[in-house]
Amino acid sequence: DGGITQSPKYLFRKEGQNVTLSCEQNLNHDAMYWYRQDPGQGLRLIYYSQIVNDFQKGDIAEGYSVSREKKESFPLTVTSAQKNPTAFYLCASSEQSGYGYTFGSGTRLTVV
Amino acid sequence: AQSVTQPDIHITVSEGASLELRCNYSYGATPYLFWYVQSPGQGLQLLLKYFSGDTLVQGIKGFEAEFKRSQSSFNLRKPSVHWSDAAEYFCAVGARAGTALIFGKGTTLSVSS
Repeated sequence: DGGITQSPKYLFRKEGQNVTLSCEQNLNHDAMYWYRQDPGQGLRLIYYSQIVNDFQKGDIAEGYSVSREKKESFPLTVTSAQKNPTAFYLCASSEQSGYGYTFGSGTRLTVV
Repeated sequence: AQSVTQPDIHITVSEGASLELRCNYSYGATPYLFWYVQSPGQGLQLLLKYFSGDTLVQGIKGFEAEFKRSQSSFNLRKPSVHWSDAAEYFCAVGARAGTALIFGKGTTLSVSS
């Protein structure tokens, strides 16, 4: 079955370390997205990509980086510059930007 | 700028009672509108979507939503709530191609017996 896979489900890192969250899809979707979810804040857009080798910053891109070398993959790196990285991170994909998304099951990152 | 407002942070409904979750959007043209549901610790699942045409759309799990352009609203309804409907619900708006969806802050639904 087609879907979108995020790994790992839980991630613990020490403060000051960079960490990379994986997102892979086999839906042949062109667009992929990263959102951050905090309690009471809804989903806030970090980065999105409409095609391979191209991506755009979202509302809260500072302290994060992404790459899109393959259509299937859109990894997110949380850098040491991100002031408050502890959160639930959601990856999604869609056939075209603005259309309905398919979401992964999320990665909960805890920085200690 | 586009925005989505879900006025109710938390709603409690008795099992078997009807449900309406409110969503208001701000956008200059006809938007694409969505409702998603999220169980704790999980990703979001699409309930229904509106792109154009009939303003009353049917979704999964017995949900429906009505697009009202004059009120800039897209409220989600269900005639009879089940305990398994307890979750967080998000309304989202999509603009022209080339942009990402904007989500509301969500409404948490609790179902009492």
